[in-house]
Amino acid sequence: GQNIDQPTEMTATEGAIVQINCTYQTSGFNGLFWYQQHAGEAPTFLSYNVLDGLEEKGRFSSFLSRSKGYSYLLLKELQMKDSASYLCAVSDSNYQLIWGAGTKLIIKP
Amino acid sequence: IAGITQAPTSQILAAGRRMTLRCTQDMRHNAMYWYRQDLGLGLRLIHYSNTAGTTGKGEVPDGYSVSRANTDDFPLTLASAVPSQTSVYFCASSDGSGSPTDTQYFGPGTRLTVL
Repeated sequence: GQNIDQPTEMTATEGAIVQINCTYQTSGFNGLFWYQQHAGEAPTFLSYNVLDGLEEKGRFSSFLSRSKGYSYLLLKELQMKDSASYLCAVSDSNYQLIWGAGTKLIIKP
Repeated sequence: IAGITQAPTSQILAAGRRMTLRCTQDMRHNAMYWYRQDLGLGLRLIHYSNTAGTTGKGEVPDGYSVSRANTDDFPLTLASAVPSQTSVYFCASSDGSGSPTDTQYFGPGTRLTVL
């Protein structure tokens, strides 16, 4: 079967760094996406990885290890507005997205 | 406007009633998708369409139907609603290039409650 695992909830402090992990087992792999979803809103695209390594985009970075079936999203200099759910999704052999349940990130002042 | 719109924003529906959720995009994207999102579960694909005139079944298609008469519109119909269809429904679209970087963009969602 296909499976995406993420922690259900994480808490971090404003100004700090947090790493959200995602492990996956899918039939085929055509890339991994991270989306941000604020409460009551639609998911919005954050990043895409298809090759091993780190992709940096401002305060957010995403890492991929295909051999380990593992990715993480790194958020630096946390701000209160970063309080949201972070969704990991893998594009499978049919280019369909398989979604994790999301990680709710709570930022405390 | 630019993006995806969905209607209604929310709806309370009696079990057994028929309901159509509307989705319209103005980005001229080829591919469109319907997902449901339930607490504790990831987004689950209901139906998709790779191009106007074609549709396909996703992970959880039972009880739902779709049509794609043109590029812009992708309505989702519940023929006879049941309480287990209470959920938040998201429509999404992508350019459908088939490339791995084909990013999906989401509408604001419809919150449906079936009593």
